[in-house]
Amino acid sequence: AQTVTQSQPEMSVQEAETVTLSCTYDTSESNYYLFWYKQPPSRQMILVIRQEAYKQQNATENRFSVNFQKAAKSFSLKISDSQLGDTAMYFCAFMKHVSAGNMLTFGGGTRLMVKP
Amino acid sequence: KAGVTQTPRYLIKTRGQQVTLSCSPISGHRSVSWYQQTPGQGLQFLFEYFSETQRNKGNFPGRFSGRQFSNSRSEMNVSTLELGDSALYLCASSPSGSWTDTQYFGPGTRLTVL
Repeated sequence: AQTVTQSQPEMSVQEAETVTLSCTYDTSESNYYLFWYKQPPSRQMILVIRQEAYKQQNATENRFSVNFQKAAKSFSLKISDSQLGDTAMYFCAFMKHVSAGNMLTFGGGTRLMVKP
Repeated sequence: KAGVTQTPRYLIKTRGQQVTLSCSPISGHRSVSWYQQTPGQGLQFLFEYFSETQRNKGNFPGRFSGRQFSNSRSEMNVSTLELGDSALYLCASSPSGSWTDTQYFGPGTRLTVL
């Protein structure tokens, strides 16, 4: 079974600074997808960024980028120029191919507070 | 396009009752997955439906069931409610049900069992 671990339950960062959220996972698969989802206090889960394991290049989406280390099974999220609206729970998630349906496996989440 | 919608947004039930939650996927999406979110257990997969068929089920008791209709709308049902069923229930849809799809989440239904 796959496991996803987020070792930082809570983090805080000053507005305009950079913060990195950690995620490690365990799998024997060679190809899979990794995701970062954001869940603001209003509860709607929003996709931040996704990475296919076969792609060497780290994914970026505006101020959000990842550092994907396949051998180390590490998938960290860097948020640059943090904004107050980035305050949320962040979940790292894993998806692999299964013969019967799809299932996201989530980490426990990191609560990020951006301070003015 | 409208996003994933879930109704109702809030529910209060008592132990022993049953409840039905509804999810309407993004237009054109054919796969619907359900997740339970609690402070203690985090986000856990319940089941996934594609073309009206349950393809995958998480490790939940048989009191948790679901179905999908021909228009891809999905419902989940919890019978004989227990206090531990209090949670945020999230629904997610994806276009083709492929493992390469991204899942898009609804706002959730907050269920409180008294």
